[in-house]
Amino acid sequence: AQTVTQSQPEMSVQEAETVTLSCTYDTSESDYYLFWYKQPPSRQMILVIRQEAYKQQNATENRFSVNFQKAAKSFSLKISDSQLGDAAMYFCAYRRAQKLVFGQGTRLTINP
Amino acid sequence: EAGVAQSPRYKIIEKRQSVAFWCNPISGHATLYWYQQILGQGPKLLIQFQNNGVVDDSQLPKDRFSAERLKGVDSTLKIQPAKLEDSAVYLCASSLTLSSYEQYFGPGTRLTVT
Repeated sequence: AQTVTQSQPEMSVQEAETVTLSCTYDTSESDYYLFWYKQPPSRQMILVIRQEAYKQQNATENRFSVNFQKAAKSFSLKISDSQLGDAAMYFCAYRRAQKLVFGQGTRLTINP
Repeated sequence: EAGVAQSPRYKIIEKRQSVAFWCNPISGHATLYWYQQILGQGPKLLIQFQNNGVVDDSQLPKDRFSAERLKGVDSTLKIQPAKLEDSAVYLCASSLTLSSYEQYFGPGTRLTVT
């Protein structure tokens, strides 16, 4: 069974600084997708960034980028120039065969 | 484009009562998902529909939970009878097809069982 582990229950960062959220996963598959979702207090899950396992290049979306280490089964999210609106729960997720498995989440606080 | 709609947003019931949640996916989305998110955890898939057929319900507690998507559009999730451990947020999501990588989530229903 696939498992996703986020070892940081909470993280905080100063506004405009950079923060990295960690995620590791366990799988025996070679073809899969990885995602980072953001869940603000409104509870609506919002897709932040995705990574296809077959791609060696790390995905980037504006201030958000990932460090994908396939051999180590590691998938961290870097948020640059943190903004107050980035405060939320962040979930790492693994997708294989149309099924999403989520980690436990990391609560990110932005200090003004 | 309208997003995924869910109702109610909040529900409080006593244990052993029954409750139903409703979800309307994005227009044209064939695949619909129900997730349970217990406080402090990530969402867990309960059931997945492709049109009006069930693709995966392996984690649905079938002795008390049921779900349907009769016309392949709206869906309802029912709990009968509810237990204290059913207190959670129930999220509905939809995607264009079964192979689409992106799922669009609704705002969820927060259920409290007392």
